[in-house]
Amino acid sequence: QQPVQSPQAVILREGEDAVINCSSSKALYSVHWYRQKHGEAPVFLMILLKGGEQKGHDKISASFNEKKQQSSLYLTASQLSYSGTYFCGTEGPNAGGTSYGKLTFGQGTILTVHP
Amino acid sequence: DADVTQTPRNRITKTGKRIMLECSQTKGHDRMYWYRQDPGLGLRLIYYSFDVKDINKGEISDGYSVSRQAQAKFSLSLESAIPNQTALYFCATSRGAPANYGYTFGSGTRLTVV
Repeated sequence: QQPVQSPQAVILREGEDAVINCSSSKALYSVHWYRQKHGEAPVFLMILLKGGEQKGHDKISASFNEKKQQSSLYLTASQLSYSGTYFCGTEGPNAGGTSYGKLTFGQGTILTVHP
Repeated sequence: DADVTQTPRNRITKTGKRIMLECSQTKGHDRMYWYRQDPGLGLRLIYYSFDVKDINKGEISDGYSVSRQAQAKFSLSLESAIPNQTALYFCATSRGAPANYGYTFGSGTRLTVV
């Protein structure tokens, strides 16, 4: 079952902040975040593992609440280059409690940053 | 050259035709995946392969088949194309479990079935 992302779309001005949420009905082993520019392939942003720390680079960071089976992506002081569609990909644990080996993606959140 | 190459980039085909989409990679990754992307639905898994002899169905495998010819090559076939298979298809690779390394995607194949 696909994770659910919210909101479906966000419109910002440069410098504003945004939060994108990803929620799963199943237990999670890892959550991935990808960004896709129009007409291009999705590009990997970061992974959050069960029991791991909040990740981030530059002004994009993410958190993972294992108990709630949710992850949030935080975009701070947005830039024009942040525009695109953001996908979360989730992975459940296998019987041994480790990586199952395949991702299920949310429906995507369209982020538009205006000057 | 791209690490993950998909051919063709665009294809228009007629209903009932057999078509093959190809994916090759130079990253040396053992795991390969085929996803399709439809507006508002995100990326859905069609088939995946953890090595040459290990091929598994994904969420939406009906109407599709795959072949893993070598570690570097993973092909997706539509045996008899139908219009609702019109979509953007992505091949992805992973070095070991995606939880450790994430996916690398190809540039995609835009398929239109008329």
